[in-house]
Amino acid sequence: EIVLTQSPGTLSLSPGERATLSCRASQSVSSSYLAWYQQKPGQAPRLLIYGASSRATGIPDRFSGSGSGTDFTLTISRLEPEDFAVYYCQQYGSSGYTFGQGTKLEIK
Amino acid sequence: EVQLVETGGGLIQPGGSLRLSCAASGFTVSSNYMSWVRQAPGKGLEWVSVIYSGGSTYYADSVKGRFTISRDNSKNTLYLQMNSLRAEDTAVYYCARVVRQGYGDRFTLSYYYYYYMDVWGKGTTVTVSS
Repeated sequence: EIVLTQSPGTLSLSPGERATLSCRASQSVSSSYLAWYQQKPGQAPRLLIYGASSRATGIPDRFSGSGSGTDFTLTISRLEPEDFAVYYCQQYGSSGYTFGQGTKLEIK
Repeated sequence: EVQLVETGGGLIQPGGSLRLSCAASGFTVSSNYMSWVRQAPGKGLEWVSVIYSGGSTYYADSVKGRFTISRDNSKNTLYLQMNSLRAEDTAVYYCARVVRQGYGDRFTLSYYYYYYMDVWGKGTTVTVSS
């Protein structure tokens, strides 16, 4: 089973700053199978990025994804107040789907 | 409008059973991959189960042998039958549509698939406690 480890656990930044969130896999993951989600308190997760770098419908272009193999990154170029939330990476594998433990992006 | 609505959660004693439902609108459940994902209080997301359009089913090790995913095509509804419930099954349970999107790579001339969960319900809460 592939394990996804996200870092940092918590990221404290101010609106307007750049956020860089990391997702590391315990073994190589196809980029096609890597997605990122945003979750706000009391809400269901929302798809942000699929295929490691493709933005989902309606997602602002300040969100971008990159990476391959075992290292993937979600970047938010200029933080807006509504971007403070928890972010999860997820991968599809032959035995199912796994999520990272999440990165909480909080206002500094 | 594409939508998923989960129902069936509640308070149940350890060892008990519960069936969750997920009613879909705006698309056909049987033509899609569908999944259940749960989130324990204050914790992260945990994948639970998936059913493919062809009917194959897969489960997380934590629920294998206790949970069963199924669908009713006539009702366009997804289900999760949960038996032998434990305190650690306490969570918000979400259903989600899994997209399997094919694409061709013009450089390698190969065909690949994206997999991602694009539509989620609001969730239903299951509490296992005596």
